[in-house]
Amino acid sequence: AQRVTQPEKLLSVFKGAPVELKCNYSYSGSPELFWYVQYSRQRLQLLLRHISRESIKGFTADLNKGETSFHLKKPFAQEEDSAMYYCALTFSGTYKYIFGTGTRLKVLA
Amino acid sequence: DAGVTQSPTHLIKTRGQQVTLRCSPKSGHDTVSWYQQALGQGPQFIFQYYEEEERQRGNFPDRFSGHQFPNYSSELNVNALLLGDSALYLCASSQAGTTTNEKLFFGSGTQLSVL
Repeated sequence: AQRVTQPEKLLSVFKGAPVELKCNYSYSGSPELFWYVQYSRQRLQLLLRHISRESIKGFTADLNKGETSFHLKKPFAQEEDSAMYYCALTFSGTYKYIFGTGTRLKVLA
Repeated sequence: DAGVTQSPTHLIKTRGQQVTLRCSPKSGHDTVSWYQQALGQGPQFIFQYYEEEERQRGNFPDRFSGHQFPNYSSELNVNALLLGDSALYLCASSQAGTTTNEKLFFGSGTQLSVL
């Protein structure tokens, strides 16, 4: 069965430190991977998707099919990055997204 | 544009009752998906509606049903409520495309508590 694993429930880093939020997936075909973010008192929103190969708010994520990973990275964390981050998987032939359990990122001053 | 709107924001029901949640999609969107998010978990796909039909369903019992109206708004109905149905119910809208890579826009959710 398809699955998304985010091993860390909570990740605390200091402002200016590098950040890496881990995401591993289980799917044998060609996946489409996304990162969604939920800031405090806001709704869940798309941060980035692998197919766009873009950098949003300084965040990047590379799809590694060999390691079945899609880790989210930022070289220098900012306090405003504090939020809940969800990795999500979908694929051709389905309309559902499979979400991980999320990682809460806390950026400390 | 108000984006995706859901009502009510909070709801308290007792076991065995029935509940209806409502969702209006973002302007220009024609597809509505419903997700259940239990405490400490990620959203889980319930079903998706497009052209007033259920297009795909997740692993949820028949107690969960839905409807989409001609104006693309949608309802989620849950019958015979169980304690385990307590969760945040999220509505997400999108534009139907030729692939599944449709950007989802989420509402703020309806928090359902079953006592």
